[in-house]
Amino acid sequence: GQNIDQPTEMTATEGAIVQINCTYQTSGFNGLFWYQQHAGEAPTFLSYNVLDGLEEKGRFSSFLSRSKGYSYLLLKELQMKDSASYLCAVMDSNYQLIWGAGTKLIIKP
Amino acid sequence: DGGITQSPKYLFRKEGQNVTLSCEQNLNHDAMYWYRQDPGQGLRLIYYSQIVNDFQKGDIAEGYSVSREKKESFPLTVTSAQKNPTAFYLCASSSPTGESQPQHFGDGTRLSIL
Repeated sequence: GQNIDQPTEMTATEGAIVQINCTYQTSGFNGLFWYQQHAGEAPTFLSYNVLDGLEEKGRFSSFLSRSKGYSYLLLKELQMKDSASYLCAVMDSNYQLIWGAGTKLIIKP
Repeated sequence: DGGITQSPKYLFRKEGQNVTLSCEQNLNHDAMYWYRQDPGQGLRLIYYSQIVNDFQKGDIAEGYSVSREKKESFPLTVTSAQKNPTAFYLCASSSPTGESQPQHFGDGTRLSIL
């Protein structure tokens, strides 16, 4: 079956760095997406990786290792507004998105 | 501004009643999707449509129905056969399938049972 695993919840301090991991087993691979979702709101697109390596976008970076079925989202200089759930999703061989359950990130002052 | 509009934001269903959730997009996207989100779970695909007048069942289609008569619109009906409809429903759209494009989401409809 297809499976995506993320930690359920993480806590970090304002101004610090946090890494959210995602491991996956899917039928084929056509890219991995990270989304941010604030409570009660829609998910918003953060990043996309299809090749191995690190993609950097301001305070956010995303890494992919296809051979290990592994990705992480790195958030630097954490701000209170970064408190949200972070969803990992993999596009399978049929170009369908398979979603992880999300990681709830709590930022403390 | 281009985007996806879902309505209503909140909806209440009585026993034995069908309700319809609206989803409209002006992004000129071919593909549209309906997801259900329950607390502590990932998004689960209900139905998707790659082109007008065509749609496919997702992982949890039972108790739901859709139509795709116009490119811009993809309404979802939650029928009385869906015994546990309370959830957050999200509509999304993307460029044609067969491409690794991100999906863009509406603001969601929260459905509850009266």
